[in-house]
Amino acid sequence: DIQMTQSPSTLSASVGDRVTITCRASQSINSWLAWYQQKPGKAPKLLIYKASSLESGVPSRFSGSGSGTEFTLTISSLQPDDFATYYCQQYNSPFTFGPGTKVDIK
Amino acid sequence: EVQLVESGGGLVKPGGSLRLSCTASGFTFNNYNMNWVRQAPGKGLEWVSSISSSSNFIYYADSVKGRFTISRDNAKNSLYLQMNSLRAEDTAVYYCVRANGGFDYWGQGTLITVSS
Repeated sequence: DIQMTQSPSTLSASVGDRVTITCRASQSINSWLAWYQQKPGKAPKLLIYKASSLESGVPSRFSGSGSGTEFTLTISSLQPDDFATYYCQQYNSPFTFGPGTKVDIK
Repeated sequence: EVQLVESGGGLVKPGGSLRLSCTASGFTFNNYNMNWVRQAPGKGLEWVSSISSSSNFIYYADSVKGRFTISRDNAKNSLYLQMNSLRAEDTAVYYCVRANGGFDYWGQGTLITVSS
């Protein structure tokens, strides 16, 4: 089974900060990686698929990069609505989520 | 508008069974693979099971294999999860999710509590 790790587990940041979250897979998943945002009590929301493709309607301040085993999600300028938990997910074989990264207010 | 509505959640005793349903609307259901994803209280997301558009391919997480059965009825635009031999660690919100590359549409979730 493919295992996913994320770092950091918690990130404290301010509005306007550039934020980067890293996700690593235990083996190559090519570019079969997605990123999700989840707020308390709500279902997750797809942000990025195929490592770097922005889902329709998602602000352009979100971007994804990477391939193989190492991936990053970047928020170029953190907005108040972005304080949430972020999960990566591999969908190469079959599906695994990372443990999540909570972005909170500094 | 795409909608996924789960039902069937509730309180069940350890060892008991429950069947979840998900009714889909706003898209051509039989064109998409579908999934169940769960989230235990205060914990992260866990993929549970996946079924292909025509039910040819079915996958389960190791944690539920042999106890849960996923199925779908394309004529009724519905997805199901039969859960048997339930354990306390199955307590979670269960989401019905459409796969389109990533998981692009999620239901609101239904809570399953396994407790005596």
